[in-house]
Amino acid sequence: DAKTTQPPSMDCAEGRAANLPCNHSTISGNEYVYWYRQIHSQGPQYIIHGLKNNETNEMASLIITEDRKSSTLILPHATLRDTAVYYCIVVSTGYSSASKIIFGSGTRLSIRP
Amino acid sequence: DAGVTQSPTHLIKTRGQHVTLRCSPISGHKSVSWYQQVLGQGPQFIFQYYEKEERGRGNFPDRFSARQFPNYSSELNVNALLLGDSALYLCASSFAGREKLFFGSGTQLSVL
Repeated sequence: DAKTTQPPSMDCAEGRAANLPCNHSTISGNEYVYWYRQIHSQGPQYIIHGLKNNETNEMASLIITEDRKSSTLILPHATLRDTAVYYCIVVSTGYSSASKIIFGSGTRLSIRP
Repeated sequence: DAGVTQSPTHLIKTRGQHVTLRCSPISGHKSVSWYQQVLGQGPQFIFQYYEKEERGRGNFPDRFSARQFPNYSSELNVNALLLGDSALYLCASSFAGREKLFFGSGTQLSVL
């Protein structure tokens, strides 16, 4: 079973910031939070990941709460091309981990003009 | 550099047949993972291979098998196809299997 909980759908106005929440209350110390997105008919695309500090790259920002039980992906200026399903995933990088990455159902983000 | 490539892009089979799907990882990547995505759902983990050895297996029947070759490319085989095997099959590669994945565009399999 997926270790994360996300709202099934959200919408956002074009040009505004899109804030996508994720709950991962059972996350353990060696597990990272990864975000991917999947645009219709394509393979998922990596966005960003983090352990406990906030992270930012050219695509998005990731805010992880101090207790690490939840996080928020922020797309600062959403465009129509950001319409996709966004997956929040918890990944163990420990040497003895099973290394299987489990996707949940994700959040379907719709950007309205 | 080329990304992850999968072949074929589309495939139509009938029940009971066998299918082989192929994946070439990004150059330098040693790990390949396979996922099945049924319409409307997130990708479901099938297998992960690293350095030609199976590292992980999802909850799929023995009809599903895979292997990784010395050049790190991979094949996914499905025997005795069922209607429920109709899905998008995704391949992903990474350097060692525990960092970000790079996905191909998938093979769309239709079983009639």
